[in-house]
Amino acid sequence: SQTIHQWPATLVQPVGSPLSLECTVEGTSNPNLYWYRQAAGRGLQLLFYSVGIGQISSEVPQNLSASRPQDRQFILSSKKLLLSDSGFYLCAWTRDTLNTEAFFGQGTRLTVV
Amino acid sequence: AQSVSQHNHHVILSEAASLELGCNYSYGGTVNLFWYVQYPGQHLQLLLKYFSGDPLVKGIKGFEAEFIKSKFSFNLRKPSVQWSDTAEYFCAVKSATGFQKLVFGTGTRLLVSP
Repeated sequence: SQTIHQWPATLVQPVGSPLSLECTVEGTSNPNLYWYRQAAGRGLQLLFYSVGIGQISSEVPQNLSASRPQDRQFILSSKKLLLSDSGFYLCAWTRDTLNTEAFFGQGTRLTVV
Repeated sequence: AQSVSQHNHHVILSEAASLELGCNYSYGGTVNLFWYVQYPGQHLQLLLKYFSGDPLVKGIKGFEAEFIKSKFSFNLRKPSVQWSDTAEYFCAVKSATGFQKLVFGTGTRLLVSP
């Protein structure tokens, strides 16, 4: 069966420090991968998605970037964190087929201090 | 591009009351539609989904949703809510053709009082 792992679960980082959140999917190949940010009152905002290795699409301009160095690995990064980057980040995947739902990781609570 | 509107941001109900949460989407093509639920302290999980066929979809825990294509709506319903239904509910839409970017609404927080 397929599983998705996202880590760390919580993270406290100072302003100006770098960020690296990792997400990996097991049990499937060539998944579509997503990074979302969940904020109160704003729902789930799609940040990045990827349909394949090295292929990244950005949905909103921001201080973050994403990379997909391997088929089932999706990384969310920042060179210098801002206070406004605080939030709850979710990784998700869908099968590379029609008519498929998304499966979510447990999320990372990032607090920038 | 797809977009989703959930008009109810906060809903408070008593146990046994009926529930209907509104969801409207904007997209001109064929869509897949979803409702996800997030219980307090838990991760997002799928409540129900519509791909094709019968527009009335039944999900887990007694929830159902009806796809009305002419109204671009996919409202969630439950005839009698329980305290354990307290959660945040998200509607989502995805194109059914080509690449499937999944777009969510802003969510509805449901509080069921015992």
